[in-house]
Amino acid sequence: NAGVMQNPRHLVRRRGQEARLRCSPMKGHSHVYWYRQLPEEGLKFMVYLQKENIIDESGMPKERFSAEFPKEGPSILRIQQVVRGDSAAYFCASSRQTSGGAGEQFFGPGTRLTVL
Amino acid sequence: AQSVTQLGSHVSVSEGALVLLRCNYSSSVPPYLFWYVQYPNQGLQLLLKYTTGATLVKGINGFEAEFKKSETSFHLTKPSAHMSDAAEYFCAVSDHDFGNEKLTFGTGTRLTIIP
Repeated sequence: NAGVMQNPRHLVRRRGQEARLRCSPMKGHSHVYWYRQLPEEGLKFMVYLQKENIIDESGMPKERFSAEFPKEGPSILRIQQVVRGDSAAYFCASSRQTSGGAGEQFFGPGTRLTVL
Repeated sequence: AQSVTQLGSHVSVSEGALVLLRCNYSSSVPPYLFWYVQYPNQGLQLLLKYTTGATLVKGINGFEAEFKKSETSFHLTKPSAHMSDAAEYFCAVSDHDFGNEKLTFGTGTRLTIIP
């Protein structure tokens, strides 16, 4: 049973370019969370999605960032016009249907974005 | 709002010695608490979690944690450190509303094992 898949593992972009990060949840999981880890910091929640719905995007910057989880295919985190401050590791986690907080989120290996 | 404080960003212990990683939380509701481990260039792996019931929770790799409501703490311990325990450890609290289980993480503690 494959775990959470993220690609690419490493992504280099120049300032002003677009970054597109993909996350395939574990089989049977319909909930996806995105977190960002800045250097020497813990993970910060960005957005929570279910299939075709954004449930909570309170941690995502209002501009340049967007996320989707289509009916078919992986979840996508998109960063437009990247800046150096976007350099970070972006982690995706998936879980089964919510169980009041007692469920486990399974994390992918992350995408390390470097903005030159 | 919930928050997590991990005291000590770096902890070093000798192989075979006790491991103690500290975590204090703040929550307006009864918390669900988690410890995750992160090895270099990898994702996070769940060590253990507390939801309800027994306050001493046992996890994988010989780790355990005790929920102390009076101290708002959830410290992680292991009786005897092994070289393979060297990693970064994160304490987290869940916003456990039905329909949203996002995690709030501490800033992490990097554990180094001295041979």
